[in-house]
Amino acid sequence: AQSVTQLGSHVSVSEGALVLLRCNYSSSVPPYLFWYVQYPNQGLQLLLKYTTGATLVKGINGFEAEFKKSETSFHLTKPSAHMSDAAEYFCAVSDRGSQGGGADGLTFGKGTHLIIQP
Amino acid sequence: GAVVSQHPSRVICKSGTSVKIECRSLDFQATTMFWYRQFPKQSLMLMATSNEGSKATYEQGVEKDKFLINHASLTLSTLTVTSAHPEDSSFYICSARFPLGSVVGRGSYEQYFGPGTRLTVT
Repeated sequence: AQSVTQLGSHVSVSEGALVLLRCNYSSSVPPYLFWYVQYPNQGLQLLLKYTTGATLVKGINGFEAEFKKSETSFHLTKPSAHMSDAAEYFCAVSDRGSQGGGADGLTFGKGTHLIIQP
Repeated sequence: GAVVSQHPSRVICKSGTSVKIECRSLDFQATTMFWYRQFPKQSLMLMATSNEGSKATYEQGVEKDKFLINHASLTLSTLTVTSAHPEDSSFYICSARFPLGSVVGRGSYEQYFGPGTRLTVT
C-alpha cells in the first residue's frame, strides 16, 4: 500500500521568506504526485502535479515542486511567502491506474499547516 | 472549467436517521468519482471509488451497507449515510475525474474536488 509522509505538522515562516514543505512517498514504482491546498472549511485546490516528463513542476501562486526518484521525494517550495499562503497543504499520491493511464484514488499525507508570520 | 459541487454544504441530523450527500460535476462528465472523509485537523481518507453504471469499490474498513454510493449518471454521485451515529460526524469531500483518454491536456490523472459537506450527527 502507498504511504505519504509529510515532515512537520506545522511550519512557520516569515512573510517574504522561503517556504519548504516536505513530502516523501513509499512506492516501488513512481506514482502520480500532487500537492493540494485547503483553506478552512473548504475543499481542496490543486497546486501542482507530477505525472511524467520534467521533474521540476511549476504550479499556481508561485509554488513549485521537484520530483526526486532517488529520494522518493516531492517537496513543495515557494521563494517568497505571502500572508495569503497560510493554509493546510496536503501531499498526495496515486497509483498509475489499472486501466492504462488514469490514476486511482488518492492517498494523502497528514498535512502541513503553514503559518506566515508578519 | 472542471467544477465540482456538493450539496448540502452543512447538515445536522439526529442519530439513527439517514443523510444523502450529492456530488455533481457541473461542466464535464465524470465516469469516476471518489468519496473521502476528513476528521478535524486530520488528513483525507479515501472511502470509495464510484463508477458510473456499476457498483462502487470500497476501501478496506469502510462499511458499504452504511455508506451507500450511487453513481447513476455521468454527472452525479450520491453518498447516503444510513442510520447515522455521532461517530459519523465528519467532513465528506468528493472528487471527480475526467474519463480516461479524454480531453487532450487535461489528463485523466487529476481529480477535481468539491467544497465538502460538514455532517454533524446529534
